Amino acid sequence: KAGVTQTPRYLIKTRGQQVTLSCSPISGHRSVSWYQQTPGQGLQFLFEYFSETQRNKGNFPGRFSGRQFSNSRSEMNVSTLELGDSALYLCASSLGVAGVYNEQFFGPGTRLTVL
Amino acid sequence: SQELEQSPQSLIVQEGKNLTINCTSSKTLYGLYWYKQKYGEGLIFLMMLQKGGEEKSHEKITAKLDEKKQQSSLHITASQPSHAGIYLCGADMHTGNQFYFGTGTSLTVIP
Repeated sequence: KAGVTQTPRYLIKTRGQQVTLSCSPISGHRSVSWYQQTPGQGLQFLFEYFSETQRNKGNFPGRFSGRQFSNSRSEMNVSTLELGDSALYLCASSLGVAGVYNEQFFGPGTRLTVL
Repeated sequence: SQELEQSPQSLIVQEGKNLTINCTSSKTLYGLYWYKQKYGEGLIFLMMLQKGGEEKSHEKITAKLDEKKQQSSLHITASQPSHAGIYLCGADMHTGNQFYFGTGTSLTVIP
């Protein structure tokens, strides 16, 4: 089975722009979660989508949004980019809702740099 | 504040030495995952612990879960350079329906 794929792997944007990141989960997985990883804050939960519905959302501003398609692929969008949005964005997929009974499989991440 | 605190924050050991990483929760644990991350890459699943007192081993890595202490430990025996990376614990603490990760422990193994 192919693993979780994320595109693009690297991205450079300037302040004020918007960006869309894509995540393709493992075939059959219905849940996709997004995380932001920075040296200062560590790995922080952004949101989780399950069967095209946002199940929950972390403590991030409304500039961060996402969606999930019927084939479980997911996109996350960040509008009006700020310097502090520079981070490694990781997505993870799981068969069911992410949690202790449903292991999450992670993609390689998208490294976003905001100049 | 962090729901999951890891200690130590970083560790530098000589190849062949044993080491332990701890993960302490501020809330009741309902099971816990351990992941390893190579710098700037995705997370690799190591182990999942579901019950208090559970202990699992894979190759030279052993993890234990102590529900009473709300703590888990990861022990590496006879460390090798291939063990280097960032170790992260993660847990579903039934709070806000989200998955939390620990602060991370950076491990360097000197040949």
